[in-house]
Amino acid sequence: AQSVTQLDSQVPVFEEAPVELRCNYSSSVSVYLFWYVQYPNQGLQLLLKYLSGSTLVESINGFEAEFNKSQTSFHLRKPSVHISDTAEYFCAVRLAGFQKLVFGTGTRLLVSP
Amino acid sequence: EAQVTQNPRYLITVTGKKLTVTCSQNMNHEYMSWYRQDPGLGLRQIYYSMNVEVTDKGDVPEGYKVSRKEKRNFPLILESPSPNQTSLYFCASSIRGSGDTEAFFGQGTRLTVV
Repeated sequence: AQSVTQLDSQVPVFEEAPVELRCNYSSSVSVYLFWYVQYPNQGLQLLLKYLSGSTLVESINGFEAEFNKSQTSFHLRKPSVHISDTAEYFCAVRLAGFQKLVFGTGTRLLVSP
Repeated sequence: EAQVTQNPRYLITVTGKKLTVTCSQNMNHEYMSWYRQDPGLGLRQIYYSMNVEVTDKGDVPEGYKVSRKEKRNFPLILESPSPNQTSLYFCASSIRGSGDTEAFFGQGTRLTVV
């Protein structure tokens, strides 16, 4: 069965600093990879996804993630964070051909001035 | 506007008192599922449904029931809630296909069982 590991439960960072949120998955078959963001008191929203093709995917608000098949990773990065990026971020994986999303335990990003 | 609507958003109840959390989507999605979110555990799937009248257990189904009588609705039923079911619950829906589509989530229901 597939699993997702987010090693960092919390990442504190200062505003305008770069950040990387780590995600590793385990699966021996083709997968689709997702990052979801959860702002306080809200549901999950899709941030970006990797399905196929270019291994670097970007979101509209400056985040990017790179699919690395050999390291089975899908780390999320942003070169300069804002206070408004404070949220919990979930990495998720779905086996190709299946519907079930398997989530990591989440990383809380805390951006301070 | 495409959305998944859950009700209620907040609920405090007592042990053993049956409750239902409703979930409705307006995107004509076949696949719907329920998750619970607990600190340090992320989201875990409770039940899912591939289509009307087709439901199956997820990873943590004990103490929960679901039904799918209509495509748009997927209620979560707790027949006899217990304090260990205190959690944040999310309903989600997506197109049933190859798995490459986005899942849409409701706003969540925070349940406290005392």
